[in-house]
Amino acid sequence: DAGVIQSPRHEVTEMGQEVTLRCKPISGHDYLFWYRQTMMRGLELLIYFNNNVPIDDSGMPEDRFSAKMPNASFSTLKIQPSEPRDSAVYFCASSLDRPLEAFFGQGTRLTVV
Amino acid sequence: GESVGLHLPTLSVQEGDNSIINCAYSNSASDYFIWYKQESGKGPQFIIDIRSNMDKRQGQRVTVLLNKTVKHLSLQIAATQPGDSAVYFCAENMSQAGTALIFGKGTTLSVSS
Repeated sequence: DAGVIQSPRHEVTEMGQEVTLRCKPISGHDYLFWYRQTMMRGLELLIYFNNNVPIDDSGMPEDRFSAKMPNASFSTLKIQPSEPRDSAVYFCASSLDRPLEAFFGQGTRLTVV
Repeated sequence: GESVGLHLPTLSVQEGDNSIINCAYSNSASDYFIWYKQESGKGPQFIIDIRSNMDKRQGQRVTVLLNKTVKHLSLQIAATQPGDSAVYFCAENMSQAGTALIFGKGTTLSVSS
């Protein structure tokens, strides 16, 4: 397996634009997580899914953020409209039937100017 | 605030020395703990885990110690090598509740030769 695959690796966008981050989890993993990493706040959990169903989205900063998982092999994190304070590295991770060891993707570095 | 934190943000050691990275957690209900290593530009990678029914677990050159009485976790790296230079995170969750991993802010380990 190629591991968790995220795209794009880097995204630079202007304030106000819509940004969509994509993730392909490891095949067979039932849990999918979106984390955001900044120097100030470290790794923050945004949302996670179990069997494509959102379980906990309490970490999503505000209504500008939304996440979907239309099937077991694909998830998106969308920011609309984007703001400079959204600049961070966004990680997707997946794990087997219980959220124990999570496998992380390489991340998407988002810069909003 | 976060339920998992680290005592020191940076640690500098000489090649060949043993390294000890510490972590404190506050959620007494957590029963599963992981150490991750994150190299520059990459996602966190699993190092070793431990369940709350254990107080020590050893891997290849690494040992994790868990002290539930004082809610303390440590990672010991034997014979530290330059390739061990990275940011190290501890993470916790309540495995039976199906919750996601919650991460501390990380300790940067620098190994000089």
